Amino acid sequence: SQTIHQWPATLVQPVGSPLSLECTVEGTSNPNLYWYRQAAGRGLQLLFYSVGIGQISSEVPQNLSASRPQDRQFILSSKKLLLSDSGFYLCAWSVLAGDTQYFGPGTRLTVL
Amino acid sequence: DQQVKQNSPSLSVQEGRISILNCDYTNSMFDYFLWYKKYPAEGPTFLISISSIKDKNEDGRFTVFLNKSAKHLSLHIVPSQPGDSAVYFCAGADRGSTLGRLYFGRGTQLTVWP
Repeated sequence: SQTIHQWPATLVQPVGSPLSLECTVEGTSNPNLYWYRQAAGRGLQLLFYSVGIGQISSEVPQNLSASRPQDRQFILSSKKLLLSDSGFYLCAWSVLAGDTQYFGPGTRLTVL
Repeated sequence: DQQVKQNSPSLSVQEGRISILNCDYTNSMFDYFLWYKKYPAEGPTFLISISSIKDKNEDGRFTVFLNKSAKHLSLHIVPSQPGDSAVYFCAGADRGSTLGRLYFGRGTQLTVWP
């Protein structure tokens, strides 16, 4: 069966510090991968998605970036965090584009 | 431009009764719709889906209805249980699109009280 992992589960970072969140998927090959953010009291905002290694599409221009160094690994990064980057970050995967997505447990990021 | 809308931010239902969560969409190219359930501090869990070739899909206590002419879908939970209390997200997708993304509504907080 397929599983998706995210770490860390919780992160508190000062403004201006870098960020690296990691997501890995097991039990499937060449998944479509997605990064979402849920701000407090808001819906799910799609940040990035990837249909293959090295292929990243950005939905929202901001100080975040994503990379896919391996088939089942998706990384969300920032060089300098802003207060507005606080939120709940979710990674998801799907077999096909536009198909059912399966979410990881999420990372709670607080920027102080 | 929000292509999927959940106009009710919250819904409160007594245990044992029916919960009906509503969702509207604007993109006529959507051919696949999904409902997710989300508890606080957890990732959303896939609940049920429906293809546009159907108007109803049932899975246990959960039934999704699709009205394509009205661009409306609803999720029925019968009977409602306290453990159903969560945020429910509706999503739509155009599976023929190369973009390959889901469009989510903002969610409805369901509270089931004893």
